[in-house]
Amino acid sequence: DVKVTQSSRYLVKRTGEKVFLECVQDMDHENMFWYRQDPGLGLRLIYFSYDVKMKEKGDIPEGYSVSREKKERFSLILESASTNQTSMYLCASSPPGTGLLGKLLFGSGTQLSVL
Amino acid sequence: GIQVEQSPPDLILQEGANSTLRCNFSDSVNNLQWFHQNPWGQLINLFYIPSGTKQNGRLSATTVATERYSLLYISSSQTTDSGVYFCAVTRGSQGNLIFGKGTKLSVKP
Repeated sequence: DVKVTQSSRYLVKRTGEKVFLECVQDMDHENMFWYRQDPGLGLRLIYFSYDVKMKEKGDIPEGYSVSREKKERFSLILESASTNQTSMYLCASSPPGTGLLGKLLFGSGTQLSVL
Repeated sequence: GIQVEQSPPDLILQEGANSTLRCNFSDSVNNLQWFHQNPWGQLINLFYIPSGTKQNGRLSATTVATERYSLLYISSSQTTDSGVYFCAVTRGSQGNLIFGKGTKLSVKP
């Protein structure tokens, strides 16, 4: 069964900490995405990547960076966590050659709380 | 940018009932997907349906691209159908998927 796996289901961090959220897919997908989901605001795209070492900003990249050193792994980094980054973070991937038009498959999400 | 409106925002059904969820979008699109988010937060892709009709078991979806709407049909609903249903669209090859605010479905036994 194909999978998008996020390393943590729940995470609690302190303000100012550097936070790494990891996402791994086993489908050889080229395209990977990071979204955050907030009540009343829906899902918003933070960053995405079409290939190894390639990244593109989404709608709300401020305060975040990403890393794609291997095809199967896409990491979201909060350089200095703040309370307004408390949210549900969702990783997704889609098949090669489809870019943002591809059928998205999501991980189970990481609920991050920044205190 | 494209606006995506879903209706109704909330829906309560008795087990066994049928329902229709609607997604309206404000501009032409070349990508439309329906998702189900279960009560534990997992988002499952139900359909990739920029146009036409597809069926998968008790679920089916129809997109009428020329009239800028899509419908998700759930027949013989079960309690496991509960959760939030999202529609998401994009246009062009570089646009982000824009998500609607979802329809929250509760199926009572």
